[in-house]
Amino acid sequence: AQSVTQLDSQVPVFEEAPVELRCNYSSSVSVYLFWYVQYPNQGLQLLLKYLSGSTLVESINGFEAEFNKSQTSFHLRKPSVHISDTAEYFCAVTENRDDKIIFGKGTRLHILP
Amino acid sequence: EAGVAQSPRYKIIEKRQSVAFWCNPISGHATLYWYQQILGQGPKLLIQFQNNGVVDDSQLPKDRFSAERLKGVDSTLKIQPAKLEDSAVYLCASSLANEQFFGPGTRLTVL
Repeated sequence: AQSVTQLDSQVPVFEEAPVELRCNYSSSVSVYLFWYVQYPNQGLQLLLKYLSGSTLVESINGFEAEFNKSQTSFHLRKPSVHISDTAEYFCAVTENRDDKIIFGKGTRLHILP
Repeated sequence: EAGVAQSPRYKIIEKRQSVAFWCNPISGHATLYWYQQILGQGPKLLIQFQNNGVVDDSQLPKDRFSAERLKGVDSTLKIQPAKLEDSAVYLCASSLANEQFFGPGTRLTVL
């Protein structure tokens, strides 16, 4: 069965510092991986996704994630965070396109001034 | 294009009362999902529809929860009777290919 582990429930980081949000998954088959972001009082938005091809995927706002099959990880990184990045970030996995997604418990990113 | 619409945005009820949530997916999206997001946790799938048929409702507490999508477009999720532990945000999502688009959610508080 699929599962997603986000080890850090909260990550405080100073503005303009780099950040990494960790995500590990378990699955017996090939997977598709996602990062969703939830800004305060808003719905979930897709940040980036890995379906196939290049293992490094990027978002339009400077985040990137790398699919590492051997370590079953899909960590999210940003070299320099901004106050507007304050949000909760969810890692998710699915074994089939257009199929149910299994979400991690989320990591709350706190940007410190 | 318009996103996934949900109403109401907030609802407060007392335990044992009934409540219903409505979702209008993005036009043309055949697949619709209802998720429950309890505070401090990730969303959990309750039910998945493909057009007006149920694909997966394995995690839907069927003794109190029900959902329908009669014409394959909008959907309602009902809880009857509500319990304290049903307090959560109920998210609706729709998809066409490999991306799910989420609505803003309905925050339910059961007192």
